[in-house]
Amino acid sequence: QSVLTQPPSVSAAPGQKVTISCSGSRSNIGNNFVSWYQHLPGTAPKLLIYENDKRPSGIPDRFSGSKSGTSAIVGITGLQTGDEADYYCGTWDSSLSVVVFGGGTKVTVL
Amino acid sequence: QVQLVESGGGVVRPGGSLRLSCVASGFSFGSFGMHWVRQAPGKGPEWVVFTRYDGSNKYYADSVKGRFTISRDNSKNTLFLQMNSLRAEDTAVYHCAKDKYSSSPNALDFWGQGTMVSVSS
Repeated sequence: QSVLTQPPSVSAAPGQKVTISCSGSRSNIGNNFVSWYQHLPGTAPKLLIYENDKRPSGIPDRFSGSKSGTSAIVGITGLQTGDEADYYCGTWDSSLSVVVFGGGTKVTVL
Repeated sequence: QVQLVESGGGVVRPGGSLRLSCVASGFSFGSFGMHWVRQAPGKGPEWVVFTRYDGSNKYYADSVKGRFTISRDNSKNTLFLQMNSLRAEDTAVYHCAKDKYSSSPNALDFWGQGTMVSVSS
């Protein structure tokens, strides 16, 4: 059971938009920055979003992040087959003094 | 470009030990915090440990506290994970990852491909 809760899967047709939610508590999302990671099978995970809504260099603006209270969301617009991957949220938990990840969401392009 | 290359994984019996290494290049290793994160087959990532840029402060997951020790040699751009009293549930791919900042855990902005650790009798 992960500290952060994500839906197991989301799907949409090419060109459409998907959003992935990440729900936590005051001690983690509520008081710390959220990051999002993309993991394609056989590759190293990649940072997509940091500090709730910032994109690292090289990440297209099709990817966006937001946070409100104890929840965060990542959105992917203009969905492409190359976006099929597992997506994880992560943050620091101030009460547990550990980094916590969500259980992951599999994105499927129909 | 940033590169993180892990090594040292393998098959070990329960109760055994392994020492993982991660050689970093493409950035000023001694200026950034570093993590170890593991991923068991078919599961999501599980954070293991963080060390700040100078090795003076470390945070451990409860599941490994007292058994695993993180260290770093900034002169050799290398991160280590000493793993003792290994259990079957420690079986996973172990990734080292660079933090975006120096002193407190934040975003893990670069990850290595990982090294496989299998604990089995």
